Parts: sequence; C-alpha cells; structure tokens
Amino acid sequence: DQQVKQNSPSLSVQEGRISILNCDYTNSMFDYFLWYKKYPAEGPTFLISISSIKDKNEDGRFTVFLNKSAKHLSLHIVPSQPGDSAVYFCAASGNYGGSQGNLIFGKGTKLSVKP
Amino acid sequence: DAGVTQSPTHLIKTRGQQVTLRCSPKSGHDTVSWYQQALGQGPQFIFQYYEEEERQRGNFPDRFSGHQFPNYSSELNVNALLLGDSALYLCASSWVDRLPGNYGYTFGSGTRLTVV
Repeated sequence: DQQVKQNSPSLSVQEGRISILNCDYTNSMFDYFLWYKKYPAEGPTFLISISSIKDKNEDGRFTVFLNKSAKHLSLHIVPSQPGDSAVYFCAASGNYGGSQGNLIFGKGTKLSVKP
Repeated sequence: DAGVTQSPTHLIKTRGQQVTLRCSPKSGHDTVSWYQQALGQGPQFIFQYYEEEERQRGNFPDRFSGHQFPNYSSELNVNALLLGDSALYLCASSWVDRLPGNYGYTFGSGTRLTVV
C-alpha cells in the first residue's frame, strides 16, 4: 500500500510556462514533505521542503503548496526551463518518537520541458 | 567539500552470491541511511545507522545487513542475491537533528547492482 502517490508518471510543458507536479499521501503522521530532483546516473538532489505547520514554501522559481485536509501537495515551477527536465520525487517523513524519520518516496514524475 | 561518496558505481553479481556496497558520508554528517531504487520506482528505505547501530529498518529481509564504522562510513551487505535485488542502491547521509523539518539528507549517486 503506497503511502505517497504521484499519479502522473510524466508531464510535458513548454519552456517559460508553469509546471505543476502533484503528490498525495495517506499517512496523517507525516509532518515533513520534500521534493527531490533526479537526473540519470545521479542521486536525488534536494529541491525544496515544507513542514506540516505551513501551507506554502517558496524558493526562487520553486513553490510547494501543502493542503493537509486533502493530504495533497504540489510543486510549482515558474517559469519552466529546459534544464528542469528530470524525474521529480515527492517524499514524506514523520518525526517518530523524537528521532529522525526515514523518507517515504513516491514513484516519481518525469518532467520534460520543451524549448 | 566532498558530498556523499559511494563505491563501486556499477556491479554485476551472480544469483546466490554476496555483495558489499560502501558509502562515505558528507563531512560533518553522522547518520547514514540506505535506500533501494528499483526501475520505475521511488527509493525504498532499507535501514539507517547512527553511532554504529541500526536505528530504523524498513521492510527488507535479513539478507540485507549493514554496518557503520567509527568514522561514520557505512557498508551495505546483501547475502544470497536474488534477481529481484537488481536495483540502484542509494546512500544518504545526514545529521541527527531532533527539530522537525531539518533533515538535511544528502544522497550519493548510487551503486547500480545487476544480478544475473
């Protein structure tokens, strides 16, 4: 049973437009959410995160929105650039018993930004 | 500043054999976590080591074991390899921080294991 779901395996957008990547989760104990970007032959690279006490976090072109009641988060990239083409993973974690929790990943969404 | 280093980058093993993968954490990090990423899937948590002890473990059989050394580097061992163990194995280092939301995971580039 997947606790973190990315239902779109792929997304294609035009350069300069907005990319919206979506993620749903089922475990209400999750209190921290992250987005990672992965190029082929490289490990995942941290992009942006959000704590469950917030509903929005922004970093340059990247904004993550969290809707706790819907157990849904999204990553917005504006404007999209060809270099953003990669696989994006949503991940969630909980602070279990005061210790650092492991990350639960979705299956990823492959973003293609066309010039 | 060196990030997380994993070795080897690629490995081919025969079914039934044993394999050891290695990870050097980012400077200043004291916690190492291992993940398995099968083709078309997201990374799955195997286990985490801190102070040379296994702190947490995911849903993986006992064939998967690990070790952390005093210099915080770590090894992942897999015994009696199965074809299904073929995957990218990722190591992530971080520091123990009990403030929620400050995990600071840094991933290595991974070891691609192929079992034939």
